[in-house]
Amino acid sequence: GENVEQHPSTLSVQEGDSAVIKCTYSDSASNYFPWYKQELGKRPQLIIDIRSNVGEKKDQRIAVTLNKTAKHFSLHITETQPEDSAVYFCAAKSGGSNYKLTFGKGTLLTVNP
Amino acid sequence: DAMVIQNPRYQVTQFGKPVTLSCSQTLNHNVMYWYQQKSSQAPKLLFHYYDKDFNNEADTPDNFQSRRPNTSFCFLDIRSPGLGDAAMYLCATSRDGTGNEQFFGPGTRLTVL
Repeated sequence: GENVEQHPSTLSVQEGDSAVIKCTYSDSASNYFPWYKQELGKRPQLIIDIRSNVGEKKDQRIAVTLNKTAKHFSLHITETQPEDSAVYFCAAKSGGSNYKLTFGKGTLLTVNP
Repeated sequence: DAMVIQNPRYQVTQFGKPVTLSCSQTLNHNVMYWYQQKSSQAPKLLFHYYDKDFNNEADTPDNFQSRRPNTSFCFLDIRSPGLGDAAMYLCATSRDGTGNEQFFGPGTRLTVL
């Protein structure tokens, strides 16, 4: 089955700096890669996603890049703000499954004012 | 607002006492999922329904069962909760079988005494 590795497990940045979280996946047939933000005690919320036919996607301060050859994708947050502090999960939808997302272990991002 | 609702938000049960968690959705999505999330870990898929078609993950313990009586509702039954079953249980939905964006409910925090 699919395996998703996520790094780093914790990330601390100063307000205004950029943050980058990286994930690798194992199934070359995976075709959908969402990123979820989860604040303490709250539901995971989709913040951005990318499909395998696209190399990069941006939404205001958030961008995701995908390298299918290397089987990795990254989340980029620019001009970080304290409210960006949360756990971020990457995930991949295996090409062999229409339904299942395999999640990375998460990155705890702390943005220091 | 269309949403995924989970009840109760907090559930306390005794070791071995059956418990049922509830999820409802107003999104009219075909697919409903149940995830288990333990502290500082990624959500782990237990099973999902595509309409009435039930799909169990291979490593989901037999202690966990699910029912989906109609499109809107899905239940998670834990027949004999053990201390290791204490976790956040997240319900999620997606529109169709392409397995794209999953919308999560707020979760039920289960405590086993």
